[in-house]
Amino acid sequence: KQEVTQIPAALSVPEGENLVLNCSFTDSAIYNLQWFRQDPGKGLTSLLLIQSSQREQTSGRLNASLDKSSGRSTLYIAASQPGDSATYLCAALTTDSWGKLQFGAGTQVVVTP
Amino acid sequence: DTEVTQTPKHLVMGMTNKKSLKCEQHMGHRAMYWYKQKAKKPPELMFVYSYEKLSINESVPSRFSPECPNSSLLNLHLHALQPEDSALYLCASSQEQGALSEKLFFGSGTQLSVL
Repeated sequence: KQEVTQIPAALSVPEGENLVLNCSFTDSAIYNLQWFRQDPGKGLTSLLLIQSSQREQTSGRLNASLDKSSGRSTLYIAASQPGDSATYLCAALTTDSWGKLQFGAGTQVVVTP
Repeated sequence: DTEVTQTPKHLVMGMTNKKSLKCEQHMGHRAMYWYKQKAKKPPELMFVYSYEKLSINESVPSRFSPECPNSSLLNLHLHALQPEDSALYLCASSQEQGALSEKLFFGSGTQLSVL
């Protein structure tokens, strides 16, 4: 069974610093890995999706990498802003899961002005 | 339109009440999902509908009853809930179930409190 882990559980950085969020997974037979952002009491917003054949995806200040062999994905957020404060979750779609995403517990990020 | 709309945003109900949560999308997506999320925990999958047919039921208690009246609508009927069912209920959709490159789009959720 796929297990997805995110460390650390919480992170606080001053504005302007680059953020590095880690996600590890146990089963390398994945279709894709997605990164989501969640604000308190709200739904999830999809940030980036990396297919199993890809190494990275970029959108603006966000860059996500995928290394299937080591079971890791990393989300980089450049030049963090207070508006980046949220919980970031990664989720893996494995080939035998028939659409069932396996979520990590998330990293709660606070960017201080 | 890339939105998934959920109503109501907040719901308080007693253990003997019957209520329904509603979800709507107009992106032409053929897969729709219900998730349950407790505070500071990741979302847990409850049900998946694919082409308006129930595809996955994650052993959810029968007091939760999903319904997919058409390809744009998804309901979750609630009856005789317990206080431990209090949570954020999230609806999501995707182009197809389990598609390689398709993102999951979430609604903003219904915050449910059971008294």
